[in-house]
Amino acid sequence: SQQGEEDPQALSIQEGENATMNCSYKTSINNLQWYRQNSGRGLVHLILIRSNEREKHSGRLRVTLDTSKKSSSLLITASRAADTASYFCATDGGGADGLTFGKGTHLIIQP
Amino acid sequence: DAGVTQSPTHLIKTRGQQVTLRCSPKSGHDTVSWYQQALGQGPQFIFQYYEEEERQRGNFPDRFSGHQFPNYSSELNVNALLLGDSALYLCASSLPTGELTQYFGPGTRLLVL
Repeated sequence: SQQGEEDPQALSIQEGENATMNCSYKTSINNLQWYRQNSGRGLVHLILIRSNEREKHSGRLRVTLDTSKKSSSLLITASRAADTASYFCATDGGGADGLTFGKGTHLIIQP
Repeated sequence: DAGVTQSPTHLIKTRGQQVTLRCSPKSGHDTVSWYQQALGQGPQFIFQYYEEEERQRGNFPDRFSGHQFPNYSSELNVNALLLGDSALYLCASSLPTGELTQYFGPGTRLLVL
């Protein structure tokens, strides 16, 4: 079963604009991670935010985490055509049961 | 530094057959996890191997089994294939402790006819 739900399911914006994706989850977490997947291939790790952190930056990426609302957001600034991909949030409950992924947001950057 | 590799890239099988998928972890990693990703869905955890033992398992039937070798590479076996087993199978490697950042391979796309 899926732990998280990304919102929106699909997002289309113009190159240069900012893209924001949201993720909600159900149970307590050790950390939350965001991954990118191009054209149904392997996933690439983007950023990890721990449960005691509220915001984290990496290049053009900004992630926030609100554990009281069990939600996270991923902001991609100054989008590029190469950012076109599916983005997944994944929660780590701290056990040895792998990551629990949401269904993803499909992002399309139009030139 | 080699990343995670998987073979084969694509596979076509018929219902009732058996399939074996292979994975080599990223250099320095000794923990391997397998995920199934159906079309339009996020990956779902199948199981994880560490020190040649299955450490944890997701909600998958016994038809799904695995193995880890002394060199940390791993196999995923699926018996009595069903049409619903058609999916992208992803292998990910990680360090055994600490934060579970996963490094994914390119996946094996399995089609069951």
